[in-house]
Amino acid sequence: GENVEQHPSTLSVQEGDSAVIKCTYSDSASNYFPWYKQELGKGPQLIIDIRSNVGEKKDQRIAVTLNKTAKHFSLHITETQPEDSAVYFCAAQFKTGFQKLVFGTGTRLLVSP
Amino acid sequence: EAQVTQNPRYLITVTGKKLTVTCSQNMNHEYMSWYRQDPGLGLRQIYYSMNVEVTDKGDVPEGYKVSRKEKRNFPLILESPSPNQTSLYFCASSSSHTDTQYFGPGTRLTVL
Repeated sequence: GENVEQHPSTLSVQEGDSAVIKCTYSDSASNYFPWYKQELGKGPQLIIDIRSNVGEKKDQRIAVTLNKTAKHFSLHITETQPEDSAVYFCAAQFKTGFQKLVFGTGTRLLVSP
Repeated sequence: EAQVTQNPRYLITVTGKKLTVTCSQNMNHEYMSWYRQDPGLGLRQIYYSMNVEVTDKGDVPEGYKVSRKEKRNFPLILESPSPNQTSLYFCASSSSHTDTQYFGPGTRLTVL
């Protein structure tokens, strides 16, 4: 079935360290993988996304990597800052329904000063 | 400002009392969806709409109804709310030309 697994569920790092969040997906036909950041009291916001024809994408301190063979993708945040503290969701687009995104269960990232 | 708005933001109600959560977007998006967010379960799709008068079930549609009479609005209706519908609800919209979904600020619903 359609499934996205996300690990870890919580992640605590010191300011300046790197953080990595990993996701695996079940459908090899999926071709779009967004990452969302959810701050307290707000809706999820897209921070970066990647398509299956690309192995890696960077945007300043954030990068996403995709391994289609293994069906997993990861979010990398370098030089973490306290404002990076939030819940992060990965998602995969499945072809069984229009633009259907299936989300992971979320990772709560805490960056300590 | 391009945005998705939801109302109310917070709602406490009792079992069986019909309620509607409104969602509106000002980006002329064709696609709109409703999700619920529960601890440990992430976001799960309730219903979605591909355009006016076109709606379909998502993964957890039981106990919910939707309508899409206008392109900008996509209300979520709970005809007879039950305590297991206590959750955080998000509306999202996207264009037919991109995959990016834009989320509203959320509605926290408590059913007693």
